[in-house]
Amino acid sequence: GAGVSQSPRYKVAKRGQDVALRCDPISGHVSLFWYQQALGQGPEFLTYFQNEAQLDKSGLPSDRFFAERPEGSVSTLKIQRTQQEDSAVYLCASSLDDNQPQHFGDGTRLSIL
Amino acid sequence: GNSVTQMEGPVTLSEEAFLTINCTYTATGYPSLFWYVQYPGEGLQLLLKATKADDKGSNKGFEATYRKETTSFHLEKGSVQVSDSAVYFCAPLFRGSARQLTFGSGTQLTVLP
Repeated sequence: GAGVSQSPRYKVAKRGQDVALRCDPISGHVSLFWYQQALGQGPEFLTYFQNEAQLDKSGLPSDRFFAERPEGSVSTLKIQRTQQEDSAVYLCASSLDDNQPQHFGDGTRLSIL
Repeated sequence: GNSVTQMEGPVTLSEEAFLTINCTYTATGYPSLFWYVQYPGEGLQLLLKATKADDKGSNKGFEATYRKETTSFHLEKGSVQVSDSAVYFCAPLFRGSARQLTFGSGTQLTVLP
């Protein structure tokens, strides 16, 4: 597709379950970012990849959060042992390189019961 | 340190009114500046950008000028439409090791017919 694709659009999980969120960036985009957006707030940075290398994971809130991009294209954000405070919209963005504008997917809305 | 401050909302205007949403930043260098818009139920879309001082970004009737002297990047539109109702985010890309966008808190705009 032409844009950044994220799946699922909505995910409901019980507290303690593991979840996996997928991001399919724009073809050829080297840089990939994950952001977390709480209700009524601006997105906050989680982690950044350049190709398959995770160059910055300073925004990951705990060691329950893990992201990968093994082949430098599709990325997965995994959250283990989910907690209620993990409920948010998770946004993925990609760009041609660090200096180009980031293009966002529609996000995955995660609700932890 | 680097930070961004955005005018809080919500903002409610009548159709054809003039819009200004203020955005100021604090930075050790000269960031690239972006405005993103988020329509209901959708992901973030790049609205406009400016990469150096005195640059003016424009799109869909919206404009913003990179003002180095006042470290500002205010968003303006001369005549808003109902379809402009959305949340607007100011997002600097600060120089240095960080490559992620730093988002303001967002301004909810509602335009009434």
